[in-house]
Amino acid sequence: DTGVSQDPRHKITKRGQNVTFRCDPISEHNRLYWYRQTLGQGPEFLTYFQNEAQLEKSRLLSDRFSAERPKGSFSTLEIQRTEQGDSAMYLCASSYGLAGGSYEQYFGPGTRLTVT
Amino acid sequence: AQSVAQPEDQVNVAEGNPLTVKCTYSVSGNPYLFWYVQYPNRGLQFLLKYITGDNLVKGSYGFEAEFNKSQTSFHLKKPSALVSDSALYFCAVSNRDDKIIFGKGTRLHILP
Repeated sequence: DTGVSQDPRHKITKRGQNVTFRCDPISEHNRLYWYRQTLGQGPEFLTYFQNEAQLEKSRLLSDRFSAERPKGSFSTLEIQRTEQGDSAMYLCASSYGLAGGSYEQYFGPGTRLTVT
Repeated sequence: AQSVAQPEDQVNVAEGNPLTVKCTYSVSGNPYLFWYVQYPNRGLQFLLKYITGDNLVKGSYGFEAEFNKSQTSFHLKKPSALVSDSALYFCAVSNRDDKIIFGKGTRLHILP
């Protein structure tokens, strides 16, 4: 097992374009999380899945953001009509958790998005 | 609402000296507490966690953290700092709802 992987590692796009990021979690992990990190800040929670179900979505996430996790395996995060304020590092993490428990999350290397 | 405060943006410590990185939290109910480290151009790495039990938690790379319920703190410590410990450290808290809230981070500089 090579850990959490994310693709692409870097993405430069023009304002108004759509972008999609992919995350492959550690294979036995049932939970998958998306975070956004800007310079000088800690990761901010965006959304998370338990298996294929999206259980929570942050109020930070506008309607331009959507995430999926078909079949409870990899996940995609799509940003439509990108804005310069979307420029950030997008982090994916996974964990194995049971109901009512909170377990350490393992992070991928992130996708750095630059919107010009 | 859950929150985490890391009062120091940066901590400087001479190599070989003990180090402490401070963290306080606010959460309803019993907290789950974590420390993560971020090295340049690398992802966040899990260091240690407190769920329940002994207030002194030992983690990776010789780090430990002490849970203090009365002071709502979870300070990260190491008896003898190494230059290679220089990195960005994040404290995080969860309240069993599976969402982890991170602090803004503390940059640790170990001076040779």
